[in-house]
Amino acid sequence: GAGVSQSPSNKVTEKGKDVELRCDPISGHTALYWYRQSLGQGLEFLIYFQGNSAPDKSGLPSDRFSAERTGGSVSTLTIQRTQQEDSAVYLCASSLVSQVGQPQHFGDGTRLSIL
Amino acid sequence: AQSVTQLDSQVPVFEEAPVELRCNYSSSVSVYLFWYVQYPNQGLQLLLKYLSGSTLVESINGFEAEFNKSQTSFHLRKPSVHISDTAEYFCAVSEGTGRRALTFGSGTRLQVQP
Repeated sequence: GAGVSQSPSNKVTEKGKDVELRCDPISGHTALYWYRQSLGQGLEFLIYFQGNSAPDKSGLPSDRFSAERTGGSVSTLTIQRTQQEDSAVYLCASSLVSQVGQPQHFGDGTRLSIL
Repeated sequence: AQSVTQLDSQVPVFEEAPVELRCNYSSSVSVYLFWYVQYPNQGLQLLLKYLSGSTLVESINGFEAEFNKSQTSFHLRKPSVHISDTAEYFCAVSEGTGRRALTFGSGTRLQVQP
């Protein structure tokens, strides 16, 4: 597709369950970002992938959060043993990084609700 | 570390009136500045950006923003708003070097009333 695609668009799960969120970036974009948008914290950076380099995980809030990017394209964000405070919209973005300052293109997000 | 402040959480304005959404940033290095807009249940869309050169940047739908280095500001303006401009607006910065992730402000909800 032409834009960043995220799935599912909505996810409701029980506290303690694991969830996987998927992001399919724009074709050819080598950089991929995950952000979290919640009422109390606004938009927060979670993790950044650039090509084959080691990811920047500095924004992950706890060791329950992890992400991988296979083949330099699709990425999955995994949250283990979900807690109610994990409820938020998880946004994925991608960009070209051959040029510094390239803007990030966002998907529509996954709305995660923990019961 | 860098930070972004959007002082106004909500800005109500009547249709066809001018509007200014304020954004101030702090950083110890050079930055790139962005404004993103978010419509309900959608992701963020890039509105405009400042990378270098002319300090006044414009978008295709009538918004403009001016980079002011001395005041560390990047305020967003539109001379005449439409109902369709109702949305959440986010100011963001990224560093010129190092981590490329965006640091966002808390957002400003623009509410255009008829």
